[in-house]
Amino acid sequence: EDQVTQSPEALRLQEGESSSLNCSYTVSGLRGLFWYRQDPGKGPEFLFTLYSAGEEKEKERLKATLTKKESFLHITAPKPEDSATYLCAVRDFNQAGTALIFGKGTTLSVSS
Amino acid sequence: DVKVTQSSRYLVKRTGEKVFLECVQDMDHENMFWYRQDPGLGLRLIYFSYDVKMKEKGDIPEGYSVSREKKERFSLILESASTNQTSMYLCASSSKQVTEAFFGQGTRLTVV
Repeated sequence: EDQVTQSPEALRLQEGESSSLNCSYTVSGLRGLFWYRQDPGKGPEFLFTLYSAGEEKEKERLKATLTKKESFLHITAPKPEDSATYLCAVRDFNQAGTALIFGKGTTLSVSS
Repeated sequence: DVKVTQSSRYLVKRTGEKVFLECVQDMDHENMFWYRQDPGLGLRLIYFSYDVKMKEKGDIPEGYSVSREKKERFSLILESASTNQTSMYLCASSSKQVTEAFFGQGTRLTVV
């Protein structure tokens, strides 16, 4: 059973066309939800951590929000340089160890 | 600046070879992780370590082993490389409290 599901798998936007990426999760007790950006051939780059429902974090054109069952990554007026794969991960309170559980990602393409 | 360094960006090895992937972090983090990333499967945890000489199996440990003799260094060992181990390998580290994890640049391993 998938614990972290991201949708859509791929998203194509025009420059300036705002949209949202979704990350839904099923865990026993959330100990953090994490968003990463990954460029082709590189390691994931940390963006945000959210810990409780209602929390929001912003960075430039990105805004992450969290509810009890899902998180959204809102992209406002995207630019071509925002093109990347965006990964969501969670840490489960009951998960043995300390590793993050990742979704499969959403690949965003922004054209000018 | 946070830094996780993987010893190689690209590796090509022959079937049956013993392969060593090295990872070094400079943040004095307690936790270190090895993931592999494959198209359509996302990031999957191979092994992690929460202290020197300590290790725990992740979701897909078969065919792999790890070594952590010093706090800053975590090595992944492919005992006898096989073609199905061709993948992108990602090392990460995090603090004991496990806030965000920081990733290296990745090693693209091809087994022929």
